[in-house]
Amino acid sequence: DAKTTQPPSMDCAEGRAANLPCNHSTISGNEYVYWYRQIHSQGPQYIIHGLKNNETNEMASLIITEDRKSSTLILPHATLRDTAVYYCIVRSHTGTASKLTFGTGTRLQVTL
Amino acid sequence: DAGVTQSPTHLIKTRGQQVTLRCSPKSGHDTVSWYQQALGQGPQFIFQYYEEEERQRGNFPDRFSGHQFPNYSSELNVNALLLGDSALYLCASSNSPLAGVSYEQYFGPGTRLTVT
Repeated sequence: DAKTTQPPSMDCAEGRAANLPCNHSTISGNEYVYWYRQIHSQGPQYIIHGLKNNETNEMASLIITEDRKSSTLILPHATLRDTAVYYCIVRSHTGTASKLTFGTGTRLQVTL
Repeated sequence: DAGVTQSPTHLIKTRGQQVTLRCSPKSGHDTVSWYQQALGQGPQFIFQYYEEEERQRGNFPDRFSGHQFPNYSSELNVNALLLGDSALYLCASSNSPLAGVSYEQYFGPGTRLTVT
């Protein structure tokens, strides 16, 4: 699976949009971009994933650049409960296993 | 609908001992993966079970072994415990990787293992 690069930490004011970047310059054509988050002492939680097109669900939006070498996770109105470590993962859907390769992620701190 | 459950929540063991951790997947899921998360690090893939067989393995020694039962639940066994095995052990369940559909992984709350 391709390697990802994320800033180690970010701050965001409550109510504002949080934009979390991720670089994945070695991504291959059949690899998807996944985002998970982990709130302190809990298991990681799936947020969203995409291949080429931008995606949106009830939690967040995922913007993938046209060359697919980077992406941005957008939390439109961050709340204190969004404080967590956010992991960007590149992953293939082919093969017999579907392991997730986590990096160190971005620690997002949402403040009042 | 119960999500992924793990037991026990916390465990304290002594070096050299053996430990067994348990996981029940989310209803409808047939694939279980195990991860180890050391303090301050992201989770690291240990192995994955599907159809009661180990399908893929991460860079972990043979002291780490597992099992999947016909009801899809799974166990992680660690022998000859080392201090460095202290970590949060996470179980994740998903649909079969061969199902051809999107299969995000759902994680349990983890088991905190402390080796003294």
